[in-house]
Amino acid sequence: QSALTQPRSVSGSPGQSVTISCTGSSSDVGGYNYVSWYQQHPGKAPKLLIYDVFKRPSGVPDRFSGSKSGNTASLTISGLQAEDEADYYCCSFAGSHTPFGGGTRLTVL
Amino acid sequence: QVQLVQSGAEVREPGASVKVSCKASGYTFTGFYLYWVRLAPGQGLEWMGWINPHSGDTDSAQKFLGRVTMTRDTSITTAYMELNSLTSDDTAVYYCARRPSTVVAFDYWGQGTLVAVSS
Repeated sequence: QSALTQPRSVSGSPGQSVTISCTGSSSDVGGYNYVSWYQQHPGKAPKLLIYDVFKRPSGVPDRFSGSKSGNTASLTISGLQAEDEADYYCCSFAGSHTPFGGGTRLTVL
Repeated sequence: QVQLVQSGAEVREPGASVKVSCKASGYTFTGFYLYWVRLAPGQGLEWMGWINPHSGDTDSAQKFLGRVTMTRDTSITTAYMELNSLTSDDTAVYYCARRPSTVVAFDYWGQGTLVAVSS
């Protein structure tokens, strides 16, 4: 039951766009449209950003968008803001378990 | 409003057990699965298992089979996660998180409970 693979870090300047990838397999990301993304600031609980690959809960800005191609899901953050600096995790339904990605630290330069 | 309030930080010695509670309010407790997820220092989020508060059914990640017990008390809308045979690798912040029945995602999270394992 391996974790999903994310880049350890990404960075961007305010106003730019960044994309975080999440690679799994046909048993998880590729097999189900149940990918979710979470934002976590230090010392805080994770916050749901995206569910069902691309859907946004109410209150989440449309700067955050999700997509999937094959076994890789992606989170794109456009119009980067200073408060976007945080850790981001993907998660996928995988039948009998629910693996998370290893997390990506986003630095806003 | 939906709230998940967890018990306070714990310190345990290796080999001991710890029981973390998650008090739910603001919604129908038996209508949503509760998951347990942990965040160890320098690591990513890790799914541990879930409980269906309505039936009491549980499932856990293979890594924790035989070492984790998840229970609930519907009369006080509280879920519990007990982890035994603790090692230093279990030092982490433990979260409970709610999962709606129609969505495979976690929409509300507890504030987290730090469990430190040290001799």
